[in-house]
Amino acid sequence: NAGVMQNPRHLVRRRGQEARLRCSPMKGHSHVYWYRQLPEEGLKFMVYLQKENIIDESGMPKERFSAEFPKEGPSILRIQQVVRGDSAAYFCASSPFQTLGNTIYFGEGSWLTVV
Amino acid sequence: KQEVTQIPAALSVPEGENLVLNCSFTDSAIYNLQWFRQDPGKGLTSLLLIQSSQREQTSGRLNASLDKSSGRSTLYIAASQPGDSATYLCAVEETSGSRLTFGEGTQLTVNP
Repeated sequence: NAGVMQNPRHLVRRRGQEARLRCSPMKGHSHVYWYRQLPEEGLKFMVYLQKENIIDESGMPKERFSAEFPKEGPSILRIQQVVRGDSAAYFCASSPFQTLGNTIYFGEGSWLTVV
Repeated sequence: KQEVTQIPAALSVPEGENLVLNCSFTDSAIYNLQWFRQDPGKGLTSLLLIQSSQREQTSGRLNASLDKSSGRSTLYIAASQPGDSATYLCAVEETSGSRLTFGEGTQLTVNP
């Protein structure tokens, strides 16, 4: 059973470009979470999705950021018109349950650098 | 709003030493508390989970305690080894939702 798969692992974008980060949850997991880790900071919750539904997006910046988890395929975190402050590690996690406990598994992250 | 704080931010110890990492949280209405390990450039690995009704959990050389009423948890690492070098993150799951709130981590270096 493969773990949570994120790609790309590393992404460089120029200011103003778009970044798309993909996350394939573990098999059997229908709950997906995105977290952001800024340099020298802890992980911050961004969004919680189930298939075709955004459950909690209270941690998402109001503009330029969007997320989806379609019926088929990976979850996508999309950042439009990137700025230098978006440079961070973006972690996806998945769980088979809504209550996480120790059933949450993290991917190895996508490291975005905006130049 | 829940806030999680970890002290110290960084710790360097010689191999073999026993050590304690501290975590505090402001809102005691938590469902559980979890300690993670993060290696550079990698994701997070869950080490120990303590349910809100529990006082401690142990796994090998690791022991985590929880005092929910005072908003504190400690992670005790016995007989530290260079392979323990990593960043240790404390996270709480709140009863109000399915999200984890993380501390900023303690960066541990164990010197041979």
